[in-house]
Amino acid sequence: GAVVSQHPSWVICKSGTSVKIECRSLDFQATTMFWYRQFPKQSLMLMATSNEGSKATYEQGVEKDKFLINHASLTLSTLTVTSAHPEDSSFYICSARVDGGGNYGYTFGSGTRLTVV
Amino acid sequence: QKEVEQNSGPLSVPEGAIASLNCTYSDRVSQSFFWYRQYSGKSPELIMSIYSNGDKEDGRFTAQLNKASQYVSLLIRDSQPSDSATYLCAVNKNPMFSGGYNKLIFGAGTRLAVHP
Repeated sequence: GAVVSQHPSWVICKSGTSVKIECRSLDFQATTMFWYRQFPKQSLMLMATSNEGSKATYEQGVEKDKFLINHASLTLSTLTVTSAHPEDSSFYICSARVDGGGNYGYTFGSGTRLTVV
Repeated sequence: QKEVEQNSGPLSVPEGAIASLNCTYSDRVSQSFFWYRQYSGKSPELIMSIYSNGDKEDGRFTAQLNKASQYVSLLIRDSQPSDSATYLCAVNKNPMFSGGYNKLIFGAGTRLAVHP
C-alpha cells in the first residue's frame, strides 16, 4: 500500500530556532501533499496544501512566513517551522492523496510531535 | 456552522455491541467521505471511504451515506476493546470551492470507549 514516511517523529527545540519536518512518499508519486496540525484533544486542522513545483496554498490564519513549505519533488515535501515559540508546540502530520482504481484516499505520515521550550 | 460536525462523546459501549458514530457536513456538493481511526498520540488510519449514497460494508464496519441529508455514519459491529479510539469523519471539499485543490476537512472526532 501507499506509504508516507515522516521524520522526525518527535523533536524538542529551543524557542527562536527553526525545525524542519520531512515527508516522503515511498512507493508512489505525490503531486499534492497536505500539512495538518493537531493540538491535544482537538481535531486535525489543515494548515496548507503543498504542490510539487509551485507555491503552497495556505489556509486562512496560517502564517506562510512562519510555516515554510517546500515541495521540490514528487516524493518529498518539507515543513519548516521558523523562529519556533512554545505556542507552536503541536502534533504535525502530513498527508498525500493516493489514486487507484477509480477511487482515491488520503494516506498519512506518522506525525511529528514538536515541543518548543 | 462547522464544515464537518461530530458528537465529541465519549460514546461508551459494551464489548460485543454495535457502536454507531454520526457525522454531518455543510458543503452540499462534497464528493467523498472518509472515516479514520486515531489512537492517542498516533496519526489517523483509514477505516472506510464512501462515495455513493447507501451502505458500504467492510468486515465489522459499515459506512452509510445520505447526501440529501448531508449525513454519514459508521457502524462497528461486535465492538472490541481494541476499537477504543477517536473516530474522525472527513469530507473531501469540492475543488471548485477550495482553490481548485482537493482538501480533506476533518470533524472534531468522536471518542469511543468499548468496555469489557
